[in-house]
Amino acid sequence: EPEVTQTPSHQVTQMGQEVILRCVPISNHLYFYWYRQILGQKVEFLVSFYNNEISEKSEIFDDQFSVERPDGSNFTLKIRSTKLEDSAMYFCASSAIRISTDTQYFGPGTRLTVL
Amino acid sequence: AQSVTQLDSQVPVFEEAPVELRCNYSSSVSVYLFWYVQYPNQGLQLLLKYLSGSTLVKGINGFEAEFNKSQTSFHLRKPSVHISDTAEYFCAVSERTTGRRALTFGSGTRLQVQP
Repeated sequence: EPEVTQTPSHQVTQMGQEVILRCVPISNHLYFYWYRQILGQKVEFLVSFYNNEISEKSEIFDDQFSVERPDGSNFTLKIRSTKLEDSAMYFCASSAIRISTDTQYFGPGTRLTVL
Repeated sequence: AQSVTQLDSQVPVFEEAPVELRCNYSSSVSVYLFWYVQYPNQGLQLLLKYLSGSTLVKGINGFEAEFNKSQTSFHLRKPSVHISDTAEYFCAVSERTTGRRALTFGSGTRLQVQP
């Protein structure tokens, strides 16, 4: 069964450094998402991406964050200058078609630790 | 804006016993409702969703949920749990009328099935 994959599974970085979290969505999917879960808190929506542009973003997704689909398979989340409070589990998701009821398929997550 | 409340952070239950995981939501607009499950070291997997029609929704692995509009609830039930049901369960909503896809999650309920 096709699945969303994410690399790395765990990333440790120093405060102020840039990180790139990588995701490979399911191959025929068109919508891509990033969510995050700070330890002990709720899973929160960050951004959705369709047709090579951001279609929705939350208040969390400020200028520190950016997303890109650099090729036909990868979807990345870049955090420009990491802060301690960026430490969280980051989940990528994808969905197939352009209706809001379509199921979002989630990857296993990347745990980001900022020291 | 929406919010989702999962009243129980942990639910211990014995194998073959019935279980109910509670979810209440609040929203200024009409919503779609979802339950996701997360097994250890895996991504979130859709269990079931309520879009319209019958308020009783059946999902995978023998789970079902009932939408109650007057009580703004979407409780998840299973008549007889297995050890393999041990996981974290997340209730989520998305907006029905605006076409926005962002999922708003509850804080999760950890189901612990004991032999």
